[in-house]
Amino acid sequence: NAGVTQTPKFQVLKTGQSMTLQCAQDMNHNSMYWYRQDPGMGLRLIYYSASEGTTDKGEVPNGYNVSRLNKREFSLRLESAAPSQTSVYFCASRPGGSWGDQPQHFGDGTRLSIL
Amino acid sequence: GDSVTQMEGPVTLSEEAFLTINCTYTATGYPSLFWYVQYPGEGLQLLLKATKADDKGSNKGFEATYRKETTSFHLEKGSVQVSDSAVYFCALPYSSASKIIFGSGTRLSIRP
Repeated sequence: NAGVTQTPKFQVLKTGQSMTLQCAQDMNHNSMYWYRQDPGMGLRLIYYSASEGTTDKGEVPNGYNVSRLNKREFSLRLESAAPSQTSVYFCASRPGGSWGDQPQHFGDGTRLSIL
Repeated sequence: GDSVTQMEGPVTLSEEAFLTINCTYTATGYPSLFWYVQYPGEGLQLLLKATKADDKGSNKGFEATYRKETTSFHLEKGSVQVSDSAVYFCALPYSSASKIIFGSGTRLSIRP
């Protein structure tokens, strides 16, 4: 039972390069999320997809794009990486509906360094 | 607007000490409340939850009571272990939205 799978686990990029972080869940969840985690700043929401076919901006969307490819997969793209985007990125999913009954499940993260 | 304020860390305790990590919130209505835990090198895991006022969530010896009078959801454990060393996050769903707010996290270190 894999849950939420993120690839790659680690990546080093040069400033200006592009890359896509992949996320897939096998729990048939409706909603998916991308967060970044920086020291002392907790988790900040980048984008989310409340259901297949929809995406919305979170707190810190600048410099990122997302694609909800299908119900299982939600990718995050950095078009032109900047050192300020060095962070740990987490994908999460939840079934939808009441938060009390349906909390989020998280992947193990992608550790991204931009030189 | 909705917000979560969490006790700043780091917190360092000796094994078997009593733990409290404070969390207060501002919200419309009475949302569910959560505590998540993040062990080194891993993603967040749900530790416990409470879905209405006066509920007590519990798991792995941790407890938290949803107190609407003080708008608080403090995390407690009677006797911590080295294996409890982790970062703990209080979390609150936004009112009428698909998003959730996380506190800034509290890093807990337990000395043998």
